[in-house]
Formats: sequence, structure tokens, C-alpha cells
Amino acid sequence: EADIYQTPRYLVIGTGKKITLECSQTMGHDKMYWYQQDPGMELHLIHYSYGVNSTEKGDLSSESTVSRIRTEHFPLTLESARPSHTSQYLCASSGLSWETQYFGPGTRLLVL
Amino acid sequence: GQQLNQSPQSMFIQEGEDVSMNCTSSSIFNTWLWYKQDPGEGPVLLIALYKAGELTSNGRLTAQFGITRKDSFLNISASIPSDVGIYFCAGQPESGGYQKVTFGIGTKLQVIP
Repeated sequence: EADIYQTPRYLVIGTGKKITLECSQTMGHDKMYWYQQDPGMELHLIHYSYGVNSTEKGDLSSESTVSRIRTEHFPLTLESARPSHTSQYLCASSGLSWETQYFGPGTRLLVL
Repeated sequence: GQQLNQSPQSMFIQEGEDVSMNCTSSSIFNTWLWYKQDPGEGPVLLIALYKAGELTSNGRLTAQFGITRKDSFLNISASIPSDVGIYFCAGQPESGGYQKVTFGIGTKLQVIP
């Protein structure tokens, strides 16, 4: 059983608000990822990290930012939420076998 | 970027039937992965494939890494209602270079009891 957690699971928020989506893993994995997934669609990588103080942008452009101050924690922040940010955000991590990613349950975000 | 074509996009089958789905790309992949996603949850890794021609099983699931390295197949035998979900193929393209995976659009499987 993978130990990766995301909070909140669901978030409804108004336009212009600042939000932070939390992601934590207790497996000691170096690599962590954020994906964006619209209903019925594939996952798109928006951010990834190889370790503490390392962050990179993914294939899909995103207005969100991330930080990696601790190995186990990889929060994603939107400074000013917009309706176009409505989506599901999935966090994942991987260890030595980098391609074997363990996913959290996701955060469903609705921006009104 | 790299694109994975997954088919079929959805399928309805009778409980007990076998299921086949596949994933193709115009590019060569080094690794193929198959995930299952239940509603409201994150994807869970089912099978990982690392070599061309590799055939790997996980219970009733069997997946193969195509010889051309441009495709992969997943078979589910004797389907049961809990097989319902979305199955995603994913892989690392040879030209990827960043230890990232590319995901297909998914195959939505419905099992009729």
C-alpha cells in the first residue's frame, strides 16, 4: 500500500483566491510529481522534483508553482485561482525505480 | 511532445469475458506501464515492462512490451465487476531524457454482471 496523501480531496473556491494543494509521502522517495487530469482525459505532467530544492516544469504549461523544502512534502500553489484552473490534480512519487510512480487520491478543484 | 494512442477508448463486456486493449506510439519507448484508475482515486500501477518482447502477468492481467518498442498490450482474463475502471498505458519515450512518463488517454472498461 502506497503512503502518499493529498489534501484537500475536494475544494470549491472563488476566482482570485490563493490556494495551496498539499501532498505528502512517507516512503522517503526522492522524486515527486504533479499531474493535471481533466475528466475522462489523460494525465499531463505540470511539475516534478528530483529532490529537496529541485523543481522543474512539466510538459503542460501551468500557472501554478511548487516547492520542495522537505523530502516528504511537495505543495502546489495557485496565487490567483481562475475557472480555467478547474481540474483534478494528482500528486505522485517514485523511488529508485523512477518509472514506478505511486499516486495520491487527487484533489478535485472547482473555481467559480 | 510524445503521444500515445490507446484503444479502444471505452468498452462494455459481459462478466467472465476476456478483455484486450492496446497502446501505440510513433516513437520508441524504453518502458511501458499499465495503470488502473478507479473513480475518485489516483491511478494504481498494475504492470511495468522494461524489455522489448517482455510478457508479464499480475493475476488475471497480462501485458506485453511490443517487439517494435512502439506498442504494448494489456489483456484481462475472466473479467469480474471490480475490473471496472479506466486503464491507462504510460511509458518513457527513448527521447524523453527527464525520467518522466507520458500517459495515454485511457480505456474505460465497464463490466456487465
